[in-house]
Amino acid sequence: QSVLTQSPSASGTPGQRVTISCSGSSSNIGSNYVYWYQQLPGTAPKLLIYKNNQRPSGVPDRFSGSKSGTSASLAISGLRAEDEADYYCATWDDSLSAWVFGGGTKLTVL
Amino acid sequence: QVQLQQWGAGLLKPSETLSLTCVVYGGSLSGYYWTWIRQPPGKGLEWIGEISHRGSTKYNPSLKSRVTISVDTSKNQFSLKLTSVTAADTAVYYCARGEELGDWGPGTLVTVSS
Repeated sequence: QSVLTQSPSASGTPGQRVTISCSGSSSNIGSNYVYWYQQLPGTAPKLLIYKNNQRPSGVPDRFSGSKSGTSASLAISGLRAEDEADYYCATWDDSLSAWVFGGGTKLTVL
Repeated sequence: QVQLQQWGAGLLKPSETLSLTCVVYGGSLSGYYWTWIRQPPGKGLEWIGEISHRGSTKYNPSLKSRVTISVDTSKNQFSLKLTSVTAADTAVYYCARGEELGDWGPGTLVTVSS
């Protein structure tokens, strides 16, 4: 049971906009930055969004992050076949004194 | 561009000690935390712990009694030891740079089986 809650799956068609949510509490998302990672099949995860809404160099601006209260979201616009992957949110938890991850959302491009 | 390469034994028996090393190419250990994460087959990510270049550590409370992360700045590498492994420790183990996990190693599958 993950500390951060993500829907197990999401889907969309090419060109669509999809949103993946991550729900936490006041001790984690509510008081710390949120990070998002993309994991393509058979590969290591890759940093997609840091500090709630910042994109590392090389990440397309189709990917955007936001945070409100104890929840965060990752939005992907102009969905492409290569976006099919698992997506994880993460943050520091003050109560646990540990980094925590969401359970992951598997995105399918139909 | 920083690259992380990792190595260690891939098959262990229950009660043995897992030992993995991650070497950093193209950058210094200074100024960052260096992290270990694991992913059981078909499951999500779990933070194991992290270490600064000065040797300051933070561990996942659920693993703290069995985990040691160390750093060797002379070799630009850091290491993970996990004692008394069981089948539940079977996972792909990743090393990564920074608390943001901005760069990742390729992962090492460690299987615990008698």
